[in-house]
Order: sequence, then C-alpha cells, then structure tokens
Amino acid sequence: DQQVKQNSPSLSVQEGRISILNCDYTNSMFDYFLWYKKYPAEGPTFLISISSIKDKNEDGRFTVFLNKSAKHLSLHIVPSQPGDSAVYFCAANLGNEKLTFGTGTRLTIIP
Amino acid sequence: DAGVIQSPRHEVTEMGQEVTLRCKPISGHDYLFWYRQTMMRGLELLIYFNNNVPIDDSGMPEDRFSAKMPNASFSTLKIQPSEPRDSAVYFCASSLGVLAGAPFFGPGTRLLVL
Repeated sequence: DQQVKQNSPSLSVQEGRISILNCDYTNSMFDYFLWYKKYPAEGPTFLISISSIKDKNEDGRFTVFLNKSAKHLSLHIVPSQPGDSAVYFCAANLGNEKLTFGTGTRLTIIP
Repeated sequence: DAGVIQSPRHEVTEMGQEVTLRCKPISGHDYLFWYRQTMMRGLELLIYFNNNVPIDDSGMPEDRFSAKMPNASFSTLKIQPSEPRDSAVYFCASSLGVLAGAPFFGPGTRLLVL
C-alpha cells in the first residue's frame, strides 16, 4: 500500500521554464514533508521541507506547496536549469523518524 | 566531514550466498537508517537505529535480513541466504533526528544477486 504517490514517473521541461513535481499522500496524520533530489550513482540529497502547519515554503528557486485538504504537495522549480535534471522523491513523516517515500519522478531539463 | 560512507559500492553475488553491506554514519548523528530502492517500490525503510539500538525493523522483508549497529560509527546489513529478488540499491542514512534536520544519505550499494 503506497501511502505516498508520485504518479508521474517522468517530466520534461524546457530550460528557464517552471518545473512542477507533484506528490499525493493518503495518510492525513503525516505532519512533515520533504523533497529529495537524486543524481545517478549517488544517494538522495535533501532539498526542501514543509511542516503541516504551513502551506508554503520557499528556498531560492525551490518552493514547496502543501494542500492538506487535498492531501497534495508540489515542488516548483523556477527557473529550471540543466543541473536540475535528476530524480525527485517526496517523503512524509508521522512525527517520528520514519520517512515514507514516493517512487520518484525523473525530471529532464531540455536546454 | 566525509558524509555517510557505504561499502562496497557494488556487489555481485550468486543466489544462496551471504551478503554483508557496511555503513559508517556521520559522526555525532544518533539515528541510522537502512533503505532499499527498487523500481517498483521506490525507497523503502528497512530498519532504523537510535543510539545503536534498533527502534523499528518492521520494514525488514524477512528473516533472511538482519542488521546490527555494534557502535556509533558502524552498522551492517546482512542478507543470508541472498535471492535474486534482493537485487536493489541499498542506502544507509544518518541524522540528528528529523526535527533537527533531514537524513543524509550515503552513495548506496548496488547489489545484484544472480
């Protein structure tokens, strides 16, 4: 039972445009959400997070939006750069140390 | 800091053999996690430790899998006997606790069981 879902396995975006990666979850008790970025042959690296008491968190070109009523979060990257090409994982936490990850979305930035 | 260190980076073995994966967490981190990545299921948490004590091993697939953390700077994940369906990338991660910061992942061990 996949509690965190990333329904788009891949996404291609033109350089300079906005990339929007989506994530849905089923457990309304999740209270902390994270995005990780993964390059080939490397481990995932933390990108940005958001607490359930917020609906938006911004860090430079990266913004995460949380819609609790829809159980949906999204990561916006503006403007997209070639170095953003990677696999992006969303993850959710129940207030303990267990992170539940989605299956990932492969983002390709087209120069 | 060198980050989370995992060895070996690649492992190819035959079905039935014992496999041992190793991890050195970031110094000072008191949480250590073992994850497995597959195409079908993404990143799954297998087990995590706090101060060298296993806290939750509910993600360990079956008795063939075992994990130990004999001290704060070393952990192992053992598969005995290995099976082809164990082929995956295994990641170790460490943290100070999620409220203090997200876990840092190692580079992973790519395991292929023939």
